[in-house]
Amino acid sequence: DVKVTQSSRYLVKRTGEKVFLECVQDMDHENMFWYRQDPGLGLRLIYFSYDVKMKEKGDIPEGYSVSREKKERFSLILESASTNQTSMYLCASSYWTGSSSEAFFGQGTRLTVV
Amino acid sequence: AQSVTQLDSHVSVSEGTPVLLRCNYSSSYSPSLFWYVQHPNKGLQLLLKYTSAATLVKGINGFEAEFKKSETSFHLTKPSAHMSDAAEYFCVVSGGYQKVTFGTGTKLQVIP
Repeated sequence: DVKVTQSSRYLVKRTGEKVFLECVQDMDHENMFWYRQDPGLGLRLIYFSYDVKMKEKGDIPEGYSVSREKKERFSLILESASTNQTSMYLCASSYWTGSSSEAFFGQGTRLTVV
Repeated sequence: AQSVTQLDSHVSVSEGTPVLLRCNYSSSYSPSLFWYVQHPNKGLQLLLKYTSAATLVKGINGFEAEFKKSETSFHLTKPSAHMSDAAEYFCVVSGGYQKVTFGTGTKLQVIP
């Protein structure tokens, strides 16, 4: 089974702190994604990466950055956490065969910024 | 650009009656389309996917969806709702550059 592991299920951080959310996948997928999930807004794409050291902005990249130094690991960084970044964060990895794809998700990290 | 519109934020059905969750999409590419389900405090689970093979796709737990290119729709159906189907459902499109875009979700309530 594909496994996408997020380092924490719950985090509480203070305003202004630098926050790292880590995600590791074990299926050698090229593509990895970070989303945030908020009630009524669904999942919104923050950043994605289709290869090591490659990154693309998603729909809501402001206030976030990412790092992908190794294929299996994709980190989301909040440079200076703010209360409006309190949310559920989901990491995903996916494959693409040219005609088929599927995304696999971690269990999520519920981040509270106080 | 690609986008997904889930036409209903909440759907309520009685147990044993049919379920219809509606989804429309737009994509500049031949898309792959998916439905995911999320039960309370649980992760996302893939229900079914369409990847340019058969237009009627069968998934887990009795769900199915039909891809209609002319209507740009991918509605999710189930003949008979069960209490355990109560959850939030997300329609998802994957297209160019393998970007994965979610709809805003539909919460399904099943009334005993």
